[in-house]
Amino acid sequence: ETGVTQTPRHLVMGMTNKKSLKCEQHLGHNAMYWYKQSAKKPLELMFVYSLEERVENNSVPSRFSPECPNSSHLFLHLHTLQPEDSALYLCASSQVGLAGGYTGELFFGEGSRLTVL
Amino acid sequence: KNQVEQSPQSLIILEGKNCTLQCNYTVSPFSNLRWYKQDTGRGPVSLTIMTFSENTKSNGRYTATLDADTKQSSLHITASQLSDSASYICVVSLNTGGFKTIFGAGTRLFVKA
Repeated sequence: ETGVTQTPRHLVMGMTNKKSLKCEQHLGHNAMYWYKQSAKKPLELMFVYSLEERVENNSVPSRFSPECPNSSHLFLHLHTLQPEDSALYLCASSQVGLAGGYTGELFFGEGSRLTVL
Repeated sequence: KNQVEQSPQSLIILEGKNCTLQCNYTVSPFSNLRWYKQDTGRGPVSLTIMTFSENTKSNGRYTATLDADTKQSSLHITASQLSDSASYICVVSLNTGGFKTIFGAGTRLFVKA
């Protein structure tokens, strides 16, 4: 496989369920990201992991819990979500320079479409 | 406030016609600007990158321009094809280190036969 792979592609869950989204990148990158995409709104950065350390957490509710066990894998654990959390969740990866930080191209997965009932 | 605004929000054109999408930004300090194409049900894919010193860059039928003085960018699509139907997202990165990128809301393009 090549690129960034996300599973599942579609997920329907109740507000009391616990589920996880999975992302795997095959590009040898050292940074991975979770973005939320809602209709007609800009992508919202949720979490950034650089060299397996969480370096950014943009005021995301605690019902979203990320995990990055290694530089190729990223998870987003979901629990007690709200209907307004329904959205497309995109994973991305990039190569971060020696000075740190991102200015390079983001490579996105195809997204996980989440519906919370 | 760092913002990226795109216009129009949506656009319908006939196959074979040209179109231009606009991106205005109030982002500082500026590092680079990218245009991404997002097909329905897919993740965004980078089309072009523009740095401060670049005015024009082409990628096949896509030509991006950048005016760093007025903080405007455009994406021109020539001889549109049905496969150009997608959302086009303007993304500006800040030159502050860290992971500061500002996304526009996108322009939804529909190309009709």
